[in-house]
Amino acid sequence: EVQLVESGGGLVQPGGSLRLSCEASGFRFTDFWMNWVRQAPGKGLEWVANIKQDGGEKYYVDSVKGRFTIFRDNAKNTLYLQMNSLRVEDSGVFYCAKSGDNGYDYGENWGQGTLVTVSS
Amino acid sequence: ERVMTQSPATLSVSPGERATLSCRASQAVNRNLAWYQQRPGQPPRLLIYGASNRAAGIPARFSGSGSGTEFTFTISSLQSEDFTVYYCQQYNNWPPTFGQGTKVEIK
Repeated sequence: EVQLVESGGGLVQPGGSLRLSCEASGFRFTDFWMNWVRQAPGKGLEWVANIKQDGGEKYYVDSVKGRFTIFRDNAKNTLYLQMNSLRVEDSGVFYCAKSGDNGYDYGENWGQGTLVTVSS
Repeated sequence: ERVMTQSPATLSVSPGERATLSCRASQAVNRNLAWYQQRPGQPPRLLIYGASNRAAGIPARFSGSGSGTEFTFTISSLQSEDFTVYYCQQYNNWPPTFGQGTKVEIK
């Protein structure tokens, strides 16, 4: 059974930093692109970033470019999102999602999410 | 960025009846479209990918169709657990983008 368990969320002031983690199990982690998707409170979904199996390709939505960094540790089956220069509008639940086969950017499996609140 | 527009925003249907949801893309996305269900306090659940392929373990009452810019998602006979929010998402172009969601409520 595929399991994705996020952690690292919390309350941070504007301009601060957080690092999110996603521990994966139940599948061969090195075979799949991995993703971060967020959802502002009471709002819709926004794809934030994704990363290739070997970490060699990374893509970001414009709103987080230069502030967020996605990376992975394949030895630990763990995906990360380093978030710097956080803004109030970055608040929301951050989900880790496993891509579909062949690298297609849809979320075949999702974690339960971790809540990030950016507020003074 | 591809803008995805879902309609209607809210759909009122009686249990056992059919629900039909629409999703329109601002530019063609081929058949690179997924549908998700999201219950309150839960992550999205993949239902359909490739416009019409059911994900693993998804009941046959859920189906999808369409290509290019116009897509349809149908629940053939609504069960109590189906009354929630549904999102479409294109993955033809970066960044992947979602519609704003359709809430299916009990009539």
